[in-house]
Amino acid sequence: SQKIEQNSEALNIQEGKTDTLTCNYTNYSPAYLQWYRQDPGRGPVFLLLIRENEKEKRKERLKVTFDTTLKQSLFHITASQPADSATYLCALPSYGQNFVFGPGTRLSVLP
Amino acid sequence: DADVTQTPRNRITKTGKRIMLECSQTKGHDRMYWYRQDPGLGLRLIYYSFDVKDINKGEISDGYSVSRQAQAKFSLSLESAIPNQTALYFCATSNPGGPSDQPQHFGDGTRLSIL
Repeated sequence: SQKIEQNSEALNIQEGKTDTLTCNYTNYSPAYLQWYRQDPGRGPVFLLLIRENEKEKRKERLKVTFDTTLKQSLFHITASQPADSATYLCALPSYGQNFVFGPGTRLSVLP
Repeated sequence: DADVTQTPRNRITKTGKRIMLECSQTKGHDRMYWYRQDPGLGLRLIYYSFDVKDINKGEISDGYSVSRQAQAKFSLSLESAIPNQTALYFCATSNPGGPSDQPQHFGDGTRLSIL
């Protein structure tokens, strides 16, 4: 079955900086990959989807890349703000049209 | 109003008790899911249902059962709760109308503690 690893459990960055979160998977390369944001006490909220034939996808200050050779997706936040503080999860399609989620990276943007 | 509503939001109970967590949705989605979330382990799928007559086991279904009472309602039961079922539980829905890459829409979770 697919296994997902996300870089360190927690990251701290200064406001205004850019940071990169990683999502690595171990088995077959999926047709697409999704990223979600989760705030404390709330359920995950969908942010972006990137397909295997797309190298890069952007949404406002977010940029996601997908490298099927490296089996990796990178999630970039530019000009970070304290409101970006949250846990970010990546998700890949799995058997039976379901998803497998990574453990998440907790990002803290310090003012 | 939330599109995916979970009740209760918090529950503390004792080992051996039967517990039901409920989920209702107003999104009109056919697909509904139950996950549990534990620190460091991420979200793990317990059960899923693609329509009212379709129920499937997920990765960690042992000790759990579900009921799809209607398109909009999907409940999760712990027949005899044990402490290692202490976790955050999420219900989610998705829309199969388009490609299979449709995102999932989550409720705000039930924090369950079993003493």
